[in-house]
Amino acid sequence: EAGVVQSPRYKIIEKKQPVAFWCNPISGHNTLYWYLQNLGQGPELLIRYENEEAVDDSQLPKDRFSAERLKGVDSTLKIQPAELGDSAVYLCASSAVQGTQAFFGQGTRLTVV
Amino acid sequence: AQSVTQLGSHVSVSEGALVLLRCNYSSSVPPYLFWYVQYPNQGLQLLLKYTSAATLVKGINGFEAEFKKSETSFHLTKPSAHMSDAAEYFCAVSESSNTGKLIFGQGTTLQVKP
Repeated sequence: EAGVVQSPRYKIIEKKQPVAFWCNPISGHNTLYWYLQNLGQGPELLIRYENEEAVDDSQLPKDRFSAERLKGVDSTLKIQPAELGDSAVYLCASSAVQGTQAFFGQGTRLTVV
Repeated sequence: AQSVTQLGSHVSVSEGALVLLRCNYSSSVPPYLFWYVQYPNQGLQLLLKYTSAATLVKGINGFEAEFKKSETSFHLTKPSAHMSDAAEYFCAVSESSNTGKLIFGQGTTLQVKP
């Protein structure tokens, strides 16, 4: 069974440019999470989906960040415009239902120059 | 609010030596506690979790952790370190059994010397 797949693995963009990350969760997993991991820090939750619904987006900076999960499967996280401080690893995770183990993807490492 | 403190951002041990990674938590409700491992350029992998059953939890790769409520600690141990254990380790806390909504510590990098 394939794990959580994220793309791209690495992305370098200039500040003020837009960027998007894609996540394909494990098949059948209803819950999907996006985490932000700054260098030398633990991950921090950005947003959590239950199927298509964003049930917890309190930590998502809505002025520049947006996310969607169409049809309750794949998800996209977007930043527009990107700032230097957005350089980090963006992790996606999924779980079958709330309360079960979450599986993490390899992450997308974003560098904003 | 919940929080996690990992004592020591870097720990170095010799191969075959005891591994001890420290984690203290703060929670106003009975917590659920987790240890994750992250290898270079990889996602996080669950090592073990405490969910109010036995206080001594055994995980994968020979790791275990003991929940001590009186000390608000959940330290990770392994009797004998292997070179393959070199990685970053994260302790995390949750208010529920939802392992997705986690609050992570800052991580401890484990170095294993031959």
